[in-house]
Amino acid sequence: KAGVTQTPRYLIKTRGQQVTLSCSPISGHRSVSWYQQTPGQGLQFLFEYFSETQRNKGNFPGRFSGRQFSNSRSEMNVSTLELGDSALYLCASSDLGGGIETQYFGPGTRLLVL
Amino acid sequence: AQSVSQHNHHVILSEAASLELGCNYSYGGTVNLFWYVQYPGQHLQLLLKYFSGDPLVKGIKGFEAEFIKSKFSFNLRKPSVQWSDTAEYFCAVSEGGYQKVTFGTGTKLQVIP
Repeated sequence: KAGVTQTPRYLIKTRGQQVTLSCSPISGHRSVSWYQQTPGQGLQFLFEYFSETQRNKGNFPGRFSGRQFSNSRSEMNVSTLELGDSALYLCASSDLGGGIETQYFGPGTRLLVL
Repeated sequence: AQSVSQHNHHVILSEAASLELGCNYSYGGTVNLFWYVQYPGQHLQLLLKYFSGDPLVKGIKGFEAEFIKSKFSFNLRKPSVQWSDTAEYFCAVSEGGYQKVTFGTGTKLQVIP
């Protein structure tokens, strides 16, 4: 089985721009979660989608949004980028909405905001 | 709100030493508990998880963790570490499955050959 893939792997943007990141989960997995990893704040949960519905959302401003498509692929969007949005954005997928299946992480998209 | 505390930020051990990484969480309800590992240059991966049942959980690569509900703890242990265990370890908690997982700040483990 192919693993979780994330595109692009690296991205450089400037303040005020917007960005869209993509995540393709493992085939058959319907739950996709997004996390932000920074040296200062560590790993923080952004949101989780299951069967095209957002089930959970972390404590991030409304500039961070996401969606999931019928094929379980997910995108996250960050509008009006700020310097503090520079981070590694990780996507993870699991089956059965969690259950006891293992969660798999992608390699991440490293975003640099200048 | 949930929170997770990892007391050791950086641990240095010699090979064959025993390992115990502390993890405490704050949440009064039913929790699911996880340990994740990130080896240098690799993806974050799940090491082990507790959802229910036996509070002593076995994970990959000889790791285990014990859920002690009365102490709100989920410490990670390994009897004898190897150089290849050098990595960053994250404890995490959720209220249900992999939904809304809250991570600790991580512990960097360095194993000296």
